[in-house]
Amino acid sequence: GDSVTQMEGPVTLSEEACLTINCTYTATGYPSLFWYVQYPGEGLQLLLKATKADDKGSNKGFEATYRKETTSFHLEKGSVQVSDSAVYFCALSFNFGNEKLTFGTGTRLTIIP
Amino acid sequence: GAGVSQSPRYKVAKRGQDVALRCDPISGHVSLFWYQQALGQGPEFLTYFQNEAQLDKSGLPSDRFFAERPEGSVSTLKIQRTQQEDSAVYLCASSPRTGNNQPQHFGDGTRLSIL
Repeated sequence: GDSVTQMEGPVTLSEEACLTINCTYTATGYPSLFWYVQYPGEGLQLLLKATKADDKGSNKGFEATYRKETTSFHLEKGSVQVSDSAVYFCALSFNFGNEKLTFGTGTRLTIIP
Repeated sequence: GAGVSQSPRYKVAKRGQDVALRCDPISGHVSLFWYQQALGQGPEFLTYFQNEAQLDKSGLPSDRFFAERPEGSVSTLKIQRTQQEDSAVYLCASSPRTGNNQPQHFGDGTRLSIL
C-alpha cells in the first residue's frame, strides 16, 4: 500500500539555522504531496503542497520540491525562527475519489533562541 | 469564520463503555474525513463521507467503530465496547468539494482515554 517515511525526530536547532526534514514516499501512481504542521496547542494545518513532479510548494519561508525520480518531498527552510517550533507531517493523497491523506509519523522541531 | 469543531475535547471512559465523538465541519463543506492518531504517530485514515454518503470505511479498525453523517453536515464517530487500544486522538477534517486536492481543514481533535 501507499506509505510515507519521514525523518525521525526530535530535531533541535538554533535560531537562524538551516532546516531540512526528509520525506520519501511509496505509492502506485502519482500522488499529490503535502506538508502539514501542528503548532503547540493547535490543530493540523496545511503548510504547503505540490501536485505534480518538479512542482515546488512554498509558504512562510518553507519550500519542498516534488522529486519523482527519488520519490521525495523534503522540507527546507534557510533560516528558522523560534516560532517554527512544531510537529511537521509529510503526507500524500490521490486526486480522484477518496482523497484521504496518508501521513508519515511526524517530526518534532524545536528551535532554541 | 468558524473552523472544524470537535467535541468533546477530552473523553475518559472505562473499558467496555460506548462513546460518541462529534464533528461539526465547516459550513458547506462536502467532504468529511475521520482519522485516528496514536501517541507519537501520524494520523491514520478511518472513514470518508461525501455529503451524507459514507464512501469509504476501509480504515475502521473493527466493527465496534461506526460513523454517520445523516444530513450531510454534522458527523458522529461511535465506538462500542471500548478497549484500551482505542485510546488515541480522533481528528475530523473537512474540505469544500471533491477533486483537485482541496485542502483538508482539521479540527483540534478529541483525546480519548480508555481506562
